[in-house]
Amino acid sequence: GENVEQHPSTLSVQEGDSAVIKCTYSDSASNYFPWYKQELGKRPQLIIDIRSNVGEKKDQRIAVTLNKTAKHFSLHITETQPEDSAVYFCAAPQTNTGNQFYFGTGTSLTVIP
Amino acid sequence: DTEVTQTPKHLVMGMTNKKSLKCEQHMGHRAMYWYKQKAKKPPELMFVYSYEKLSINESVPSRFSPECPNSSLLNLHLHALQPEDSALYLCASSQEARSTLEAFFGQGTRLTVV
Repeated sequence: GENVEQHPSTLSVQEGDSAVIKCTYSDSASNYFPWYKQELGKRPQLIIDIRSNVGEKKDQRIAVTLNKTAKHFSLHITETQPEDSAVYFCAAPQTNTGNQFYFGTGTSLTVIP
Repeated sequence: DTEVTQTPKHLVMGMTNKKSLKCEQHMGHRAMYWYKQKAKKPPELMFVYSYEKLSINESVPSRFSPECPNSSLLNLHLHALQPEDSALYLCASSQEARSTLEAFFGQGTRLTVV
C-alpha cells in the first residue's frame, strides 16, 4: 500500500499547550488527506480532512496544513484539553488503485491536566 | 442516519468454529470495507466492495470470506481461524469506492480466537 510515515509515535503535552503531528506520503498523485481520532476501545472518527487544492484548513482548535511539494501534512491542535487524549491516525490514498487510503502508524497523544 | 452498525460487539470463538461478523449501513453508500486492527496499530485494509462487487482483496487468507448480499449489508465469514487472528474488526462505508471521500466506521467487533 501507500507508504505513509507518521511522527511522533507518542506525544505528551500539558493542558493548554499545542500539539503537532506530521505525516509524509510517497504517492505524488494523492489528493485527499484525512485525520482520524480513535479513543480507547472506540472506532476511528474523522476529525478534519484536506484536499490538495488548499494549503490549510481550520476547524476551531484543530487545523491541518498540507505541503504538496514536500509531500507532508500536519495536524495542529491548539489549547489542548484532556479529552484530546487519544490515538490519531493520518491517511493518504493509493491513487494507482483508486479505491482506498492507507493509514499512518498512529500517534498516541496524552494531554496532562 | 450516519451510523455503521456492527454485530456482535464481542465474539469468542474456537479454532474449529464457523462464525460471521455483520455490518449494516443505511446512508446509501455504495462502497463498504473490512479492516483489521491489532492493539496499538493502525487499521489494516482487508477487503473493499464497490457496488456489491469485491474490488480489493489485500491478500487476506481464505479463512476470511467476505460477502455483500446487498448495498446495505456486508458480512465477514470466519472459519478455522488462528489465535493470531484475534483483533478488532472494523467495517466502514463511503459514498463510493474513491479514496477522496470520507469513510464512516462502525464501532467494531472485538474477536478473540481461543
